[in-house]
Amino acid sequence: QKEVEQDPGPLSVPEGAIVSLNCTYSNSAFQYFMWYRQYSRKGPELLMYTYSSGNKEDGRFTAQVDKSSKYISLFIRDSQPSDSATYLCAMSRSGGYQKVTFGTGTKLQVIP
Amino acid sequence: SAVISQKPSRDICQRGTSLTIQCQVDSQVTMMFWYRQQPGQSLTLIATANQGSEATYESGFVIDKFPISRPNLTFSTLTVSNMSPEDSSIYLCSTLMSTGSMNTEAFFGQGTRLTVV
Repeated sequence: QKEVEQDPGPLSVPEGAIVSLNCTYSNSAFQYFMWYRQYSRKGPELLMYTYSSGNKEDGRFTAQVDKSSKYISLFIRDSQPSDSATYLCAMSRSGGYQKVTFGTGTKLQVIP
Repeated sequence: SAVISQKPSRDICQRGTSLTIQCQVDSQVTMMFWYRQQPGQSLTLIATANQGSEATYESGFVIDKFPISRPNLTFSTLTVSNMSPEDSSIYLCSTLMSTGSMNTEAFFGQGTRLTVV
């Protein structure tokens, strides 16, 4: 079993739709949960991170963590064509420099 | 934050040859990482490179195939040796920087898209 499982997609939605991206994980030691966005021919860039359980909102993006279920989500409201990218979940343990474990990524296409 | 310049951005290479990928960070960093990203698969860590010591390789990756240099705190290279078509992938360098409040953030170069023919 992989440490981190992510819905592979691809996911195609109309502009303005609400997008839900999800990951599950098996390692209960993970404390930091991140979402990276990767445009074609670019390296991943950090979109949001959360510590432990709870929600975090940043503009149109909301990250949710449910540690009891080992499940994390990223919601995108009012999706735009510019949101078309691959979204990777990532997680690590707490304290100092810890190895980051990534999901496989979900490719999202927002159709105008 | 960190800005990472990686080159080449892409290359097409003959099997049996070697390619060296360079990674330059705009600030001094302790740890640098090399990843491989294949279609439909997660980012796979190849090795961790600390300045002044041998790189630490993950299971399935060996120094003879992926020699790494880390001559100073801002620069690293990864060589893909004796290439075969199975080495076709995107290779990414990365570093971790503290964001304060206990967390670290991973920064990435733009990647090197390698095709072996």
